[in-house]
Amino acid sequence: GENVEQHPSTLSVQEGDSAVIKCTYSDSASNYFPWYKQELGKRPQLIIDIRSNVGEKKDQRIAVTLNKTAKHFSLHITETQPEDSAVYFCAATNGGDYKLSFGAGTTVTVRA
Amino acid sequence: DAGVIQSPRHEVTEMGQEVTLRCKPISGHNSLFWYRQTMMRGLELLIYFNNNVPIDDSGMPEDRFSAKMPNASFSTLKIQPSEPRDSAVYFCASSLRPSTDTQYFGPGTRLTVL
Repeated sequence: GENVEQHPSTLSVQEGDSAVIKCTYSDSASNYFPWYKQELGKRPQLIIDIRSNVGEKKDQRIAVTLNKTAKHFSLHITETQPEDSAVYFCAATNGGDYKLSFGAGTTVTVRA
Repeated sequence: DAGVIQSPRHEVTEMGQEVTLRCKPISGHNSLFWYRQTMMRGLELLIYFNNNVPIDDSGMPEDRFSAKMPNASFSTLKIQPSEPRDSAVYFCASSLRPSTDTQYFGPGTRLTVL
């Protein structure tokens, strides 16, 4: 099955700086890569996703890049704000398999 | 739409008791997922339903766990008997279709087994 590894496990950044989280996956057939944000005590919520026919996608201060050859994808948050502090999960699925395989999560702390 | 609804939000029970968690998916969504989240194991998929039919329950830890979806708007996850190691947050999620459609999570049920 799919194995998703996520790094780093924790990330502390100064407000206004950028944050980058990287994930690698094992199944070359994977074609859908969502990112979820989970605030303390809350549910995971989708913040951005990318499909295998696209190399990059942006939504305001967040962007995701995908390198299918290397089997890795990354989340970029620019101009970080205190409300960006949360746990971020990457995930992958191959489409033929309904299962979303989640990474272990990255705890992001934005220092004011 | 109210989103995915779960009840109860918190459950505290004693070891050996039966626990039933409930989920109402988003109207029109055909796929429903039950996850368990712990610090040690992260987010684990327990079982997945498509059109009310259980497709894969390979993530269910053991026979003490069972799940049903009697209709398109209701699902239950039951633990009988409960054990302290079952303490976790249990999330229900739904999507329009499986795999590449967005999964929307419910608020979760925090279960504590004493």
